Amino acid sequence: AQSVAQPEDQVNVAEGNPLTVKCTYSVSGNPYLFWYVQYPNRGLQFLLKYITGDNLVKGSYGFEAEFNKSQTSFHLKKPSALVSDSALYFCAVESDSWGKLQFGAGTQVVVTP
Amino acid sequence: DADVTQTPRNRITKTGKRIMLECSQTKGHDRMYWYRQDPGLGLRLIYYSFDVKDINKGEISDGYSVSRQAQAKFSLSLESAIPNQTALYFCATSERDSERYEQYFGPGTRLTVT
Repeated sequence: AQSVAQPEDQVNVAEGNPLTVKCTYSVSGNPYLFWYVQYPNRGLQFLLKYITGDNLVKGSYGFEAEFNKSQTSFHLKKPSALVSDSALYFCAVESDSWGKLQFGAGTQVVVTP
Repeated sequence: DADVTQTPRNRITKTGKRIMLECSQTKGHDRMYWYRQDPGLGLRLIYYSFDVKDINKGEISDGYSVSRQAQAKFSLSLESAIPNQTALYFCATSERDSERYEQYFGPGTRLTVT
């Protein structure tokens, strides 16, 4: 069975400060990891993914994530947060069951001016 | 994402009614999915289809059924709606390939069952 944990319901950060959203996972096979973002009244949008290769993955809107196999983590990061980054962020994992994602509960990011 | 559309966007219905949510995509993807989103629970997979002749149950399929009318259309039905089916429903699509491709989501349908 596969699972994803996002330990923080909400992350508050001041504009211009670094942003980190945490994600840990559990899968029986090789993990395929994704981050999605949901803005109010919108569907989810893909940010980035880790399939294989370099542990540091760069994605849309200046976001990046680091895959850490020993800690089974895939934390999302942005060096300098913007007010427009305020949204709901979801981590998701897929193992060897093709195309079936397991989502975390989501982390609300609030960036204050 | 305009490439994946869902109708209706909002719906209020009564307990016991049958309701259908529709999803259409112009991305040409083979795979389609239905999820429901509940606060604090993230997204949970209801049904998925890897092509027109392939329909599979997801994590929470009880009380739901689906129809894949064409590559571009995937409908979700609640045969007899109940209040705990009140949720935000999303349709998603992805390509079929040996790599893990991201999923593309529609704008969602907010369903309220009274």
